[in-house]
Formats: sequence, structure tokens, C-alpha cells
Amino acid sequence: EAQVTQNPRYLITVTGKKLTVTCSQNMNHEYMSWYRQDPGLGLRQIYYSMNVEVTDKGDVPEGYKVSRKEKRNFPLILESPSPNQTSLYFCASRYAGGEQYFGPGTRLTVT
Amino acid sequence: QQQVKQSPQSLIVQKGGISIINCAYENTAFDYFPWYQQFPGKGPALLIAIRPDVSEKKEGRFTISFNKSAKQFSLHIMDSQPGDSATYFCAASHSGGYQKVTFGTGTKLQVIP
Repeated sequence: EAQVTQNPRYLITVTGKKLTVTCSQNMNHEYMSWYRQDPGLGLRQIYYSMNVEVTDKGDVPEGYKVSRKEKRNFPLILESPSPNQTSLYFCASRYAGGEQYFGPGTRLTVT
Repeated sequence: QQQVKQSPQSLIVQKGGISIINCAYENTAFDYFPWYQQFPGKGPALLIAIRPDVSEKKEGRFTISFNKSAKQFSLHIMDSQPGDSATYFCAASHSGGYQKVTFGTGTKLQVIP
């Protein structure tokens, strides 16, 4: 089954404790993105990648890091999480010019 | 800077009624306008999309109307059903380069029996 998977689905952590949210897709898509969803703000892009080792900032990259060492994986790293990073996070992938497929989401709470 | 403005924020429609969600964009370079549907606990999924060479696209009960001169587009859901209750996002992108997708702020639709 073609899909984008994210782990964990739910995470509660404390300020400053480094965490990684994994994202994997099995569709051989070149493009992958991370978004955060907040009430009243819609989906805002954090980082995106056009291929292996090619990443760039989206609209709200502060406090986040990404890497793309393999085509299928695109982890999101929060090296020192803060409460304002409490949000619902989505990974997405697509071919160039193609439909975007979203993962199921990761709900992160930073206390 | 919000490049895609979406309204209303929430919408309650009776079963069988018409649901209408509106979006407006600023960037004239946008040339692809998708709508996404998101159910609670799920990621958004593509519902229907339009390019500016047509003014309307219909798929089943879902229709996109597009007004290029006004830089506006809307989603119409005919014969709305309780199963249509979800959050809907409009979006826009352009063909050049990365083709970044810019999303609206979302509309929470509730269809009541």
C-alpha cells in the first residue's frame, strides 16, 4: 500500500529535550515536506526536500532541522524544543508536479 | 504574509444543503489550485483541483468555481452529507521550481442531519 508513515503519532516532552520525528514514504517520491498545523493558521511549511541531500527552508523553519540521507526518509529534528512548538505535524511527499500525499500526523506537546 | 485567504473559518450546513467555501489569492503566478479534505485524526487528502484555464471543474457532488480576474476560487459541495463533515483547505501553487504549495487557514464543515 502506497503511504507516508510518521512516528511517533503522539509525543509529550519537556522543554529542551531533543527529539526526532521520523517520516518514511514508499512511493519513490523525490519531494518531501514537513508542515505544522495550528488552529486558525492552517498548514505552514517548515522544511522541504527536492531530493537526497537537497533541503531548504519553508515558511517557519526556526527551531527545526531536517536531513535527507535516503530518498524514502525525511526526519524532523527539534534539538531544543520549546512550548511554542506544540503543534500537529505532518510529513508529505509527491513527485514533481504530482499530487501531495500526507502522513497521519504527529501531535507534539512540549511542556 | 498570508497569500491564500480562506473563509469562513467554520460552517454548519443542514443535510442536503449546499456548502460553499471561498478562497482568494494574491500571487498571480499561481497556476494550480487544489482543495484538501481532512478528517479528524488523519492527514489532509486531495479532494479536487483546478487549473486557471477553466472556470469550473466538477467531480460528483464537489465543484470548484474559479474566477481568474478576481483571483478567487470556491468549493461547492452539493447535497451535503454528514460524512462530508471535515476540515477543508484550499491551496495554491505555481509550476516553476519547487512548486511550493501555499495553504489557506482551513474551514471546519459540520453537516447536521
